[in-house]
Amino acid sequence: EPEVTQTPSHQVTQMGQEVILRCVPISNHLYFYWYRQILGQKVEFLVSFYNNEISEKSEIFDDQFSVERPDGSNFTLKIRSTKLEDSAMYFCASHRGQRVTGELFFGEGSRLTVL
Amino acid sequence: KQEVTQIPAALSVPEGENLVLNCSFTDSAIYNLQWFRQDPGKGLTSLLLIQSSQREQTSGRLNASLDKSSGRSTLYIAASQPGDSATYLCAVSGNTPLVFGKGTRLSVIA
Repeated sequence: EPEVTQTPSHQVTQMGQEVILRCVPISNHLYFYWYRQILGQKVEFLVSFYNNEISEKSEIFDDQFSVERPDGSNFTLKIRSTKLEDSAMYFCASHRGQRVTGELFFGEGSRLTVL
Repeated sequence: KQEVTQIPAALSVPEGENLVLNCSFTDSAIYNLQWFRQDPGKGLTSLLLIQSSQREQTSGRLNASLDKSSGRSTLYIAASQPGDSATYLCAVSGNTPLVFGKGTRLSVIA
């Protein structure tokens, strides 16, 4: 069964360092998302991506964050200069077809720990 | 702004019991509602998707209902098993991308 895959599963970094989280969405899907979950809190929307551009972003997704689809299969989230509060589980998700009615499929997540 | 609330926050039941998890949302202008399962430290597994025009969806021992006008959904789990122990998340999609509740942490005791 096709699935969303994410790497790395866990990354530990020092505050101020750049981090890139990678995702391979399901191959025939058109909409891609990043969500995050701080320990003990709700899953929060960060950004959505369609047709090679950001379609929506939340207040959390500030200038320190960027997304890219560099090669038609990978979908990346970059955090330019990590802060302690960026420590969270980051989930990539995708769905095909129409944005509003599609079932969203999530990856296993990348746990980011900022020291 | 859409808010999703799940009650109870935690639930512990003996094996074999039927149970209901509740989800409510403040803005009834939704396109769909999705129930997910999350095991500790793991990703989100989609369980059921209900479109706004539907009243319920079933998958195996799971049945989800949707009352859009009152802003409520329930997830019914029949004949619970220890393997059902996990956190169950409700999320709604409308004019904004999927908005999640905080989840109900379920423990099924053998």
